[in-house]
Amino acid sequence: EPEVTQTPSHQVTQMGQEVILRCVPISNHLYFYWYRQILGQKVEFLVSFYNNEISEKSEIFDDQFSVERPDGSNFTLKIRSTKLEDSAMYFCASGTSGTNEQFFGPGTRLTVL
Amino acid sequence: RKEVEQDPGPFNVPEGATVAFNCTYSNSASQSFFWYRQDCRKEPKLLMSVYSSGNEDGRFTAQLNRASQYISLLIRDSKLSDSATYLCAASLMEYGNKLVFGAGTILRVKS
Repeated sequence: EPEVTQTPSHQVTQMGQEVILRCVPISNHLYFYWYRQILGQKVEFLVSFYNNEISEKSEIFDDQFSVERPDGSNFTLKIRSTKLEDSAMYFCASGTSGTNEQFFGPGTRLTVL
Repeated sequence: RKEVEQDPGPFNVPEGATVAFNCTYSNSASQSFFWYRQDCRKEPKLLMSVYSSGNEDGRFTAQLNRASQYISLLIRDSKLSDSATYLCAASLMEYGNKLVFGAGTILRVKS
């Protein structure tokens, strides 16, 4: 069964450093998303991406964040200058047309020190 | 008011019990609804979509009440393996749109 994959599973970084989180969505999916979940809190939407552009972003997704689909398979989330409060689990999700069912990857646990 | 609200629980039930969770949503324009299951420190896994007519998948039944703006999940014959956090999610569109999640309801099934 096809699934969303994410790398790395855990990333530890120093405050102010740049990180890139990588995702490979399900191959025939058209809609791509990043969500995050701070420990003990709910899953929050960050950004959606369709047809090679951002379709929606939340207020969390400020100028420090960017997304890219550099080739036909990868979907990346970059945080330019990490803050302590960026520590969270980051989930990539993808979905196809005709339904809003979204399938999540296993997540990247980001720890900012 | 939170967009999607759930009773956090925990619901502690014995094996074989029937348990029901409710979830309310504040935006009446919401179009699509889902139940996800999340194990500790894992990703949300889609359990089922929720349709206006109600739908069933094995021991799981989901219902949508648009008039009262809530969705429900019924689990029959609970198994130990059903222990998890159950998340409800709503979206304003039928596809290609963000999911807004509730904080989740914890279910613990005990032998």
